[in-house]
Amino acid sequence: DADVTQTPRNRITKTGKRIMLECSQTKGHDRMYWYRQDPGLGLRLIYYSFDVKDINKGEISDGYSVSRQAQAKFSLSLESAIPNQTALYFCATSTLETSLNTGELFFGEGSRLTVL
Amino acid sequence: AQKITQTQPGMFVQEKEAVTLDCTYDTSDQSYGLFWYKQPSSGEMIFLIYQGSYDEQNATEGRYSLNFQKARKSANLVISASQLGDSAMYFCAMRELSGGSYIPTFGRGTSLIVHP
Repeated sequence: DADVTQTPRNRITKTGKRIMLECSQTKGHDRMYWYRQDPGLGLRLIYYSFDVKDINKGEISDGYSVSRQAQAKFSLSLESAIPNQTALYFCATSTLETSLNTGELFFGEGSRLTVL
Repeated sequence: AQKITQTQPGMFVQEKEAVTLDCTYDTSDQSYGLFWYKQPSSGEMIFLIYQGSYDEQNATEGRYSLNFQKARKSANLVISASQLGDSAMYFCAMRELSGGSYIPTFGRGTSLIVHP
């Protein structure tokens, strides 16, 4: 089983619908992130959380909200989906960088969202 | 302004040849980390290599090496002896201090195609 699991993997929805993308991890990491990938734009940070009580906006948080239900779970919501939110969404985790640990990101497999 | 610049949208290389993927970054921090990730056509994100800003030696991981030129703010990825399986998108990322937290920012990526 994957260490970082995203559900659903694929979703097609209509404009105005509420959508939740879920992420769970078994790595025991405190830090979790939601990124959005669009062709030619790379990965852009939506929200991040460094512990259960910590939620921070990223570069492109407008139109999105998140919930950190537990150390292992971090959900991304689109309250009213619009077509330009069609993208590939990645959840990622990391640990604190130390002299023994680079703090690299561990990614889920991605959730492809299409908003019609 | 982009924090991470990857100027090569697409690169082609002959199998068994070496290839360099360019990455320049912009930061005023003294402490930061640089990463390269690979995204095959299947979509998953794979961590390749890390360079810390205080590391004096270039990082190496198997066929991957990071040509770190701090004064020029460049962190180019060198892949030696290219293989067909190296065909993928490659993303350069930097972790730097932003709003009191170290968060990763990605470039737009370079698509590498390895020809037989």
